[in-house]
Amino acid sequence: DAGVIQSPRHEVTEMGQEVTLRCKPISGHDYLFWYRQTMMRGLELLIYFNNNVPIDDSGMPEDRFSAKMPNASFSTLKIQPSEPRDSAVYFCASSFLVQNTIYFGEGSWLTVV
Amino acid sequence: AQSVTQLDSHVSVSEGTPVLLRCNYSSSYSPSLFWYVQHPNKGLQLLLKYTSAATLVKGINGFEAEFKKSETSFHLTKPSAHMSDAAEYFCAEGSGSARQLTFGSGTQLTVLP
Repeated sequence: DAGVIQSPRHEVTEMGQEVTLRCKPISGHDYLFWYRQTMMRGLELLIYFNNNVPIDDSGMPEDRFSAKMPNASFSTLKIQPSEPRDSAVYFCASSFLVQNTIYFGEGSWLTVV
Repeated sequence: AQSVTQLDSHVSVSEGTPVLLRCNYSSSYSPSLFWYVQHPNKGLQLLLKYTSAATLVKGINGFEAEFKKSETSFHLTKPSAHMSDAAEYFCAEGSGSARQLTFGSGTQLTVLP
């Protein structure tokens, strides 16, 4: 079975540019999560969706960050405008609640210069 | 709010010797606990999970973890380390309506030849 698929795997962009990260969850999963990993803050939950509806976005750092899930098989995390402090690894993950296991993608390595 | 504490940021062992990675959780009720492994430049792979069944949980690649409620601990062990075990290991607790994960700060495992 295909796992959680993220793109791009690596992105280098200039400060002020818009960045869009993409995610395809595992088919049939009803929850989708966006996590960010940095050296300073470790792994932190940014936002999660249930059946395509955003449930908790309290982890989104500021208004420059937005996330959407237009259908069950696709989600985006957008940063506009990007700043150097946004440099991090962004993980998408999905789960089927009754299985109580969250599966992670390979991550998107973002560098903002 | 849940908190997960990984007691060692770095652990070094020799190949063939036992591995012990320590984790404490904060929940007072029966938690869902997980160990994930992250190899360099890779995503998070689930090693094992505890969800109130047997207190000794067996995972992949010879890893085990024991849930001890009296100590609020969920330490990860392996009888004999292999070079391929060198990676970062994260302990996590699932909670909330989505069983979203709160991660510890990670333990970097080095395996010496």
